Amino acid sequence: GENVEQHPSTLSVQEGDSAVIKCTYSDSASNYFPWYKQELGKRPQLIIDIRSNVGEKKDQRIAVTLNKTAKHFSLHITETQPEDSAVYFCAASHGYKLSFGAGTTVTVRA
Amino acid sequence: GAVVSQHPSRVICKSGTSVKIECRSLDFQATTMFWYRQFPKQSLMLMATSNEGSKATYEQGVEKDKFLINHASLTLSTLTVTSAHPEDSSFYICSASTGLTGTYGEQFFGPGTRLTVL
Repeated sequence: GENVEQHPSTLSVQEGDSAVIKCTYSDSASNYFPWYKQELGKRPQLIIDIRSNVGEKKDQRIAVTLNKTAKHFSLHITETQPEDSAVYFCAASHGYKLSFGAGTTVTVRA
Repeated sequence: GAVVSQHPSRVICKSGTSVKIECRSLDFQATTMFWYRQFPKQSLMLMATSNEGSKATYEQGVEKDKFLINHASLTLSTLTVTSAHPEDSSFYICSASTGLTGTYGEQFFGPGTRLTVL
């Protein structure tokens, strides 16, 4: 089955700086790569996703890049704000089953 | 659109009892629903996938006789934790997918149910 690895496990950044989280996946047939933000005790919230026919996607301060050849994808958050502090999960999907990375705890220091 | 609800949000039960958790898609028909378990500071682990009107498919290591899943309609799936024990205490999250061609596996998550077994 699909194996998704996510790094780093924790990330502390100064407010206003950028944050980058990287994920690799094993199944070359995976074609959907969402990123989720989860606050404590809450549901995962989809913040951005990318399909396999696209290399990069941006939504305001958030961007995702995909390298299918290398089987890795990354989340970039620019101009971080305290409300960006949360746990972020990457995931990969082939069909309708999502495989999640282990998560990255992001702390934005004011 | 694409709202998924879960009930209850929290439940505390005694060891040995059974607990039922409901997952509903409120404004769309969910051909496929998923049940996840999340332990503190860990990722979401898929327990099972259910399709309306058919038996659930369980992930390796998940006891199907302990975690009973019923997907009786296109808007409702239930997870029953039978003979619950303290190690079953966790955050259970459901998600729903329309399963439409081209949706690339998009899932819509419920708010989760915090189960505490005493």
